[in-house]
Amino acid sequence: EVQLVESGGGLVQPGRSLKLSCAASGFTFSNYYMAWVRQAPKKGLEWVATISTSGSRTYYPDSVKGRFTISRDNAKSSLYLQMNSLKSEDTATYYCARLELSLWYFDFWGPGTMVTVSS
Amino acid sequence: QITLTQQAESLWISPGERVSITCRASQSLLYTDGKHYLSWYQQRPGQTTKALIYHASVRTDGVPTRFIGSGSGTEFTLSIEHVQPEDFAIYYCLQTLKSPWTFGGGTKLELK
Repeated sequence: EVQLVESGGGLVQPGRSLKLSCAASGFTFSNYYMAWVRQAPKKGLEWVATISTSGSRTYYPDSVKGRFTISRDNAKSSLYLQMNSLKSEDTATYYCARLELSLWYFDFWGPGTMVTVSS
Repeated sequence: QITLTQQAESLWISPGERVSITCRASQSLLYTDGKHYLSWYQQRPGQTTKALIYHASVRTDGVPTRFIGSGSGTEFTLSIEHVQPEDFAIYYCLQTLKSPWTFGGGTKLELK
């Protein structure tokens, strides 16, 4: 059974950093592109980052480019999101998602971890 | 960037009815391989987000046949026939044709 479990969320002050993790199980992690998607309270979904199987290629929207870094450790079946220079508008639940590469959709999602940016 | 518009924020329906949720893209989502890079997702409280449809019309594994994806170019529809109690949820469309990948604003199905 595919499982994705995020961790690392919490309350952080504006301008500070936070690193999220996603533990994957039930599939060969190194064979899949992975992504982060976020959802601000009572708002819709927003794609945040995608990483290739080897980690050599990463993709971001302008809203987080230069502040967020996605990475992975295939040996540990883990995905990460390093978030720097956090802003109040980064407050959201952050979901880890697996990308079905040949079909280009997110086929499995985690339950999410909440990040609150506030002083 | 490609904007996806889900006109209806909420739709009120009764169990057993048929409902259609629309998603309009600011440009065609058709790729040179002949496929549309539009997928649909369901969010229910307390559950992980679930993929329903990819390539505009293909159901993912295990999704009931009452969920039907259709459309082409810039206009797409997710239809649910004979809505069941468990279908009252929020539905999002997503385009993965061009970066940045973008979601529609979501449509909430509510009990009439």
